[in-house]
Amino acid sequence: AQRVTQPEKLLSVFKGAPVELKCNYSYSGSPELFWYVQYSRQRLQLLLRHISRESIKGFTADLNKGETSFHLKKPFAQEEDSAMYYCALSAPEPKLTFGTGTRLTIIP
Amino acid sequence: DAGITQSPRHKVTETGTPVTLRCHQTENHRYMYWYRQDPGHGLRLIHYSYGVKDTDKGEVSDGYSVSRSKTEDFLLTLESATSSQTSVYFCAISPTGTNEKLFFGSGTQLSVL
Repeated sequence: AQRVTQPEKLLSVFKGAPVELKCNYSYSGSPELFWYVQYSRQRLQLLLRHISRESIKGFTADLNKGETSFHLKKPFAQEEDSAMYYCALSAPEPKLTFGTGTRLTIIP
Repeated sequence: DAGITQSPRHKVTETGTPVTLRCHQTENHRYMYWYRQDPGHGLRLIHYSYGVKDTDKGEVSDGYSVSRSKTEDFLLTLESATSSQTSVYFCAISPTGTNEKLFFGSGTQLSVL
């Protein structure tokens, strides 16, 4: 069965420092992976998806099939990055399986 | 924000009572989903729908039923609420399924006492 693992429940990073939120998945097929974010008092929203290979708000994520990982990275953290981050796997379509989430806190 | 509304926003009920949560969309999207969000568990899929009267179970469907008689409405029913169903419930919609992004509602905070 498909599974998404986010090993860190909480992560605190100083402003200006690099950020890396870890995500590992298990799925026998070809995965579609996403990062969703929930800012305080806002709806859960898509941050980025691996297939588009884009950078949103300075965040990037590279799919590593060998390590079955899809870690989210940002070189310089900003205070507005504080939020709950969820890694998600679309498998099998049309179901989306979420990880348990990582609460990121940026320390001023 | 996509046109998706959940009602009620908050509800307190007693164990053993039936509860229905409503998700309404104005986007004419084909796919609709119900998730529950719990600390330490993230979001877990309860049920989803891929069209009118077409629904399927998610990973935590026990104790829940759904109905979709119109494209715009997806109802989640707790037949006999239990304290373990205290949670925040999110509805999500998508035009093409989960290989495109999901749009989420604001959530319903349900407390079962």
